[in-house]
Amino acid sequence: DTAVSQTPKYLVTQMGNDKSIKCEQNLGHDTMYWYKQDSKKFLKIMFSYNNKELIINETVPNRFSPKSPDKAHLNLHINSLELGDSAVYFCASSHRGYQPQHFGDGTRLSIL
Amino acid sequence: GESVGLHLPTLSVQEGDNSIINCAYSNSASDYFIWYKQESGKGPQFIIDIRSNMDKRQGQRVTVLLNKTVKHLSLQIAATQPGDSAVYFCAENIRGAQKLVFGQGTRLTINP
Repeated sequence: DTAVSQTPKYLVTQMGNDKSIKCEQNLGHDTMYWYKQDSKKFLKIMFSYNNKELIINETVPNRFSPKSPDKAHLNLHINSLELGDSAVYFCASSHRGYQPQHFGDGTRLSIL
Repeated sequence: GESVGLHLPTLSVQEGDNSIINCAYSNSASDYFIWYKQESGKGPQFIIDIRSNMDKRQGQRVTVLLNKTVKHLSLQIAATQPGDSAVYFCAENIRGAQKLVFGQGTRLTINP
């Protein structure tokens, strides 16, 4: 009964490849997010979607393209992977307003 | 062991003692604050939150204090247990921005 689940947990790939990370939440939340956590544990928002509509895009390179087929899913597709993309990517969800976000357990992306 | 997180501020406490983790925030427009706990290999886990119209809120073994005058937030953990070992993050919601901004994180280590 995992609340926010993302797959895969680990992703090892080569520079230049294209990859996707999937996220699903079963909490009935209407807002979903993608975060990037770097090697120093700094956690920064990348995107947020509310009811399938993009509301935050934090100057992320356009190689990153989020897609929300419905309120319960927010996937992240990354084109032409670069070494600097190596990080842990977290999906989160929440209700709108003053509500805490709930996080998945992350996808560790390693670029060779 | 992992090499990430070596630059994180670290707090070491004896098991059974109280812990206080501090956070300074920068934006006077922040109106909602959350503390998260992140264990190794997991996503951030919600601990407690507080709105800016409050200065104190208590949960089970945890208390959050908010001082808006000096833009300071603290998390107090009573009777620290080995399971409290983790990285703790504060996050601020900037009014109107619809996003959380995370602090640097503090690694809490419990000594037996």
